Amino acid sequence: DTEVTQTPKHLVMGMTNKKSLKCEQHMGHRAMYWYKQKAKKPPELMFVYSYEKLSINESVPSRFSPECPNSSLLNLHLHALQPEDSALYLCASSQDRTGNYGYTFGSGTRLTVV
Amino acid sequence: AQSVTQLDSHVSVSEGTPVLLRCNYSSSYSPSLFWYVQHPNKGLQLLLKYTSAATLVKGINGFEAEFKKSETSFHLTKPSAHMSDAAEYFCVVRPFNFNKFYFGSGTKLNVKP
Repeated sequence: DTEVTQTPKHLVMGMTNKKSLKCEQHMGHRAMYWYKQKAKKPPELMFVYSYEKLSINESVPSRFSPECPNSSLLNLHLHALQPEDSALYLCASSQDRTGNYGYTFGSGTRLTVV
Repeated sequence: AQSVTQLDSHVSVSEGTPVLLRCNYSSSYSPSLFWYVQHPNKGLQLLLKYTSAATLVKGINGFEAEFKKSETSFHLTKPSAHMSDAAEYFCVVRPFNFNKFYFGSGTKLNVKP
């Protein structure tokens, strides 16, 4: 298995909703990442997990809450989002936190906040 | 400071003609460099990577890139464009011993029939 799987592919949520994005990989990678990508822009790093521990938080608002239950799974919990949070959310993984061999990206979750 | 500059936001070529997507970087000592491709509404796919081995790197789908330290460049090329190459391309640098990727602003490649 050489893929990063993200679910759901599309999500529409209201500003008072609570929802979660899920990311899974079975490549034995020990670092996992959340990126946010707005239209026609490069991805922006949100969070880095290394060996299931949060190692980087790029000053992301608390309405985004990451969770890494085990080495294969990464979640992003969403609560009280704003319309400007609408974007493509990408998950990625790498063999370790150095990222020397590159990242493997998932196909993303297209989030729309209404 | 680390930075990546993709010199062209849009490149348009005819099918069967060569492709050149330009990337310059600013980084201290021996960075790792990558090119990723993103098709519409898709995730990013790794095309190729340079990690201080051979300076000419071959990737998937006929793409290759040459690391030129003196010019701080890592341009992406392909001898003959195919319609399926139409996508957004990102040049990415990871500075030595630093766990963070820096993305360029992207180059949108259009391939005309």
